[in-house]
Amino acid sequence: QKEVEQDPGPLSVPEGAIVSLNCTYSNSAFQYFMWYRQYSRKGPELLMYTYSSGNKEDGRFTAQVDKSSKYISLFIRDSQPSDSATYLCASWSSNDYKLSFGAGTTVTVRA
Amino acid sequence: ETGVTQTPRHLVMGMTNKKSLKCEQHLGHNAMYWYKQSAKKPLELMFVYSLEERVENNSVPSRFSPECPNSSHLFLHLHTLQPEDSALYLCASSQDRALGRDTEAFFGQGTRLTVV
Repeated sequence: QKEVEQDPGPLSVPEGAIVSLNCTYSNSAFQYFMWYRQYSRKGPELLMYTYSSGNKEDGRFTAQVDKSSKYISLFIRDSQPSDSATYLCASWSSNDYKLSFGAGTTVTVRA
Repeated sequence: ETGVTQTPRHLVMGMTNKKSLKCEQHLGHNAMYWYKQSAKKPLELMFVYSLEERVENNSVPSRFSPECPNSSHLFLHLHTLQPEDSALYLCASSQDRALGRDTEAFFGQGTRLTVV
């Protein structure tokens, strides 16, 4: 069983739409939850991270963690064509110092 | 520019060739990583170096051989690879292995490897 499962997509939305990305995880020891964005032919870059359950906002992006259901979400409001990328969820635990990734969801925002 | 530079960006090699991937970071980080990224699969952690010492090897075949000569450089030596080894190989670094609030992993742009 993969430690982090991510909705595979791909997603294609019109400009201005809300994008909703979801992951589930199985390891209760995960402490930090991250979202990475990876543009085509680039490496992943950290977009947001959260610690424990709750919401975190950064501009048009909201990351949400529900540890009771082991669910991770990322919402992108007022999506722009520049948001077109692959989004990777990831979780980290101090038990094994390992960053576990989902397989990624490719998002295309149509102008 | 993330501060982590990988060369070459693209590599095509035959199954009998020997080649090396190079990673360089000037962020003053103490931990460096090699990941493999295949289509529609999660990033797979291959090796971790902390303070130039290999601390993790995730059951990677011996045809992949890492080397960390100093804290700024990381190599991945390749020999007798198989076509299924074709993937994007990503190098990353972090201040230390404890990721979280004040520590993030920075990735290079990757080397797109094709084994023919």
